[in-house]
Amino acid sequence: EVRLVESGGGLVKPGGSLRLSCAGSGFIFNDAWMSWVRQAPGKGLEWVGRIKSSADGGTADCAAPMKDRFIISRDDSKDTLYLEMNSLKTEDTAVYYCATVSAGRLAHWGRGTVVTVSS
Amino acid sequence: DIVMIQSPDSLAVSLGERATINCKSSESVLYSSNNKNYLAWYQQKPGQPPKLLIYWASTRESGVPDRFSGSGSGTDFTLTISSLQPEDVAVYYCQAYYSAPYTFGQGTKLEIK
Repeated sequence: EVRLVESGGGLVKPGGSLRLSCAGSGFIFNDAWMSWVRQAPGKGLEWVGRIKSSADGGTADCAAPMKDRFIISRDDSKDTLYLEMNSLKTEDTAVYYCATVSAGRLAHWGRGTVVTVSS
Repeated sequence: DIVMIQSPDSLAVSLGERATINCKSSESVLYSSNNKNYLAWYQQKPGQPPKLLIYWASTRESGVPDRFSGSGSGTDFTLTISSLQPEDVAVYYCQAYYSAPYTFGQGTKLEIK
């Protein structure tokens, strides 16, 4: 069974930084493309970015509103995906989900971790 | 970037009746190289993460009841629930996924009438 567990969320002040982690199990992590999606309180889903498998180049892309502040990376030796978030703004407050990417579609999702940006 | 617009924003349907949700993309998601529509549908129940229902516009994910079906091609797509059940109350999202960014629609909230 595929399992994704996000961690690292919490309360951070505007301008601060946070690193989220997503531990994967039940699948071959180093073969998987992975993605981050967020959901602000009471709002819809917003795609944050994705990272290709190392075999496919391991490159990461972030959505335009975040690309200068967020970095997606992976450690295949630990079966873990990361989202480093810098210069955080109040509008970054959201539940952050990680998901596996299968031919582009988001096949399996974690339960999410909550990030609150507030002074 | 592709823009995805869903209609309606909310929908109330009686139990056992048909529910239809539409999704329109700002450009075609049908790619001639493989004749596939890069369009997915997700269901999100309150307090839960989203769940993949449909991909390639019309292929049901394993375990998804056959009352859920997807149709359409190019820029216009539909998610149909043939006979609404109480457990189908949720928000439904479409998503284009050929290339990044994998844009979502704004969501359609489905309730029981």
